Amino acid sequence: QQPVQSPQAVILREGEDAVINCSSSKALYSVHWYRQKHGEAPVFLMILLKGGEQKGHEKISASFNEKKQQSSLYLTASQLSYSGTYFCGTELVRETSGSRLTFGEGTQLTVNP
Amino acid sequence: DGGITQSPKYLFRKEGQNVTLSCEQNLNHDAMYWYRQDPGQGLRLIYYSQIVNDFQKGDIAEGYSVSREKKESFPLTVTSAQKNPTAFYLCASSREGSLRYGYTFGSGTRLTVV
Repeated sequence: QQPVQSPQAVILREGEDAVINCSSSKALYSVHWYRQKHGEAPVFLMILLKGGEQKGHEKISASFNEKKQQSSLYLTASQLSYSGTYFCGTELVRETSGSRLTFGEGTQLTVNP
Repeated sequence: DGGITQSPKYLFRKEGQNVTLSCEQNLNHDAMYWYRQDPGQGLRLIYYSQIVNDFQKGDIAEGYSVSREKKESFPLTVTSAQKNPTAFYLCASSREGSLRYGYTFGSGTRLTVV
């Protein structure tokens, strides 16, 4: 089942912060975050494996609440280069046919000067 | 440099024709995946393969077929049975069948039915 992302879109001014949420109705083994620029392939940002784990990548970090099956992506002091569509991809705890990701519909982030 | 090569970048198909999209990787990854992306939407899984000569249907496999005769190649055929094939198709791979290191994506093929 597809994870639910919110918000669908967000517009920021350079330097502002944003939070993107991803929730699932099923038990998750991991949550991935990807960013896609228009017309390009998605690029892997990070993976979260454990409940309550938080990871960071420069000014982009994420958390994973295993009990609630929710993950959040935090973008602080946003830069113009952060613009794009952000997708969460979820891996279920029990996947009998091998590991695979199910993606949310994406959050379109626009950072203006 | 290692990576995934998808070809062609743009493809036009007449209704009723089968077309094959190429995906080749030199990353020595075991698992490969095909996703479809429609405008303003997320990625939906078509087929995936963990090892050579084995593959599984994803969420929207109807009208598509794949083969995995070599570790580095995972071509996707869009058949005439696919009613609405116009979309952006993305191929991905992952190391050792585990997703710990995430997916590596190819640059995609944009298919248009004319």
